[in-house]
Amino acid sequence: SQQGEEDPQALSIQEGENATMNCSYKTSINNLQWYRQNSGRGLVHLILIRSNEREKHSGRLRVTLDTSKKSSSLLITASRAADTASYFCATDNQAGTALIFGKGTTLSVSS
Amino acid sequence: SQTIHQWPATLVQPVGSPLSLECTVEGTSNPNLYWYRQAAGRGLQLLFYSVGIGQISSEVPQNLSASRPQDRQFILSSKKLLLSDSGFYLCAWSRGTRRGFGYTFGSGTRLTVV
Repeated sequence: SQQGEEDPQALSIQEGENATMNCSYKTSINNLQWYRQNSGRGLVHLILIRSNEREKHSGRLRVTLDTSKKSSSLLITASRAADTASYFCATDNQAGTALIFGKGTTLSVSS
Repeated sequence: SQTIHQWPATLVQPVGSPLSLECTVEGTSNPNLYWYRQAAGRGLQLLFYSVGIGQISSEVPQNLSASRPQDRQFILSSKKLLLSDSGFYLCAWSRGTRRGFGYTFGSGTRLTVV
């Protein structure tokens, strides 16, 4: 069962521009996480935001969470070619025992 | 520091052959362990998770099984592979997402069933 759904499915931008990805989910959550996956590699944990937090920063990453709308956004500022990857949001399954991932947003940053 | 090892990186197997993928974690004890599968261009599908030795939970009934013979070892198996078992298999560990910990993933195994 899929919990998170990212939007857009694909995003192409120029270096230096900001990239915004959105995630919507269906049920209540304890926290929401964002991951990055380079082509053919494992996922890397980027940031976790708890349900009682509204915004969190980590370097060039900014994550917001709106529990009333059941949505989150990931903003990457001043994108670089090295940011080219797929980005996934993830939330707990209903039992709270494992993460359920969305289908991801594929970001392409061209120089 | 904690590390996770997953092997092999690539595997080509004929239909009907057995499968064994291994994942080990170092530098921590009693981790939560997970197997996911990712089809081409798709999201991750949770296959199995384990919160302790011998404790396996299956999320999707299918042609696969998992075992945890040791605290930091997680094995994904199949007795007879199907074409539909092809995909990118990822192992991960965590101290528990409800406690606010993220997952650490292995580098994945690309399985092609021919």
